[in-house]
Amino acid sequence: EAQVTQNPRYLITVTGKKLTVTCSQNMNHEYMSWYRQDPGLGLRQIYYSMNVEVTDKGDVPEGYKVSRKEKRNFPLILESPSPNQTSLYFCASSSPSGGNTGELFFGEGSRLTVL
Amino acid sequence: AQSVTQLDSQVPVFEEAPVELRCNYSSSVSVYLFWYVQYPNQGLQLLLKYLSGSTLVKGINGFEAEFNKSQTSFHLRKPSVHISDTAEYFCAVSDYKLSFGAGTTVTVRA
Repeated sequence: EAQVTQNPRYLITVTGKKLTVTCSQNMNHEYMSWYRQDPGLGLRQIYYSMNVEVTDKGDVPEGYKVSRKEKRNFPLILESPSPNQTSLYFCASSSPSGGNTGELFFGEGSRLTVL
Repeated sequence: AQSVTQLDSQVPVFEEAPVELRCNYSSSVSVYLFWYVQYPNQGLQLLLKYLSGSTLVKGINGFEAEFNKSQTSFHLRKPSVHISDTAEYFCAVSDYKLSFGAGTTVTVRA
């Protein structure tokens, strides 16, 4: 089954404790992206990757890091989480042209709470 | 840079009634337009898209949307909703990058 898998789905952590949210897709997509969803703000892009070893900042990259060492994986790293990073996070992927034509496939989301 | 405005944050509707969700955008160039749906505790999935051609676009689950270039709108409609249509709906616009609206929560009541 074609899917984007995120882990963990739910996480409660404390300020400053490094964490990683993993994302894996099995559709051989070049393009992958991370979004955060906050009430009243919709989805905002954090980082995206057009291919292996190619990443770029989205609209709200502060406090986040990413890496793309393999085509299928695109982990999101919070080096020193803060309470304003409490949010619902989505990973998404698409085929080469999908990056700006919107045909994105989303994971089920990771709800992060930073105390 | 483009922006996306969903004019209603919440839309309550009775089962079997019609629904319209409004979306306006601003952009200085040609755009692609999308509606995504997010069911409770799930990720987003594509409902329909407009890339070119006919301005009336049909999507999954009986939804359709009409692109109006002069009014820069892309409103989503369904003639008769079901309880299972309860979800959050996002309009998205892309010129060189994709931007999402803030979302409209549709609650269908029996």
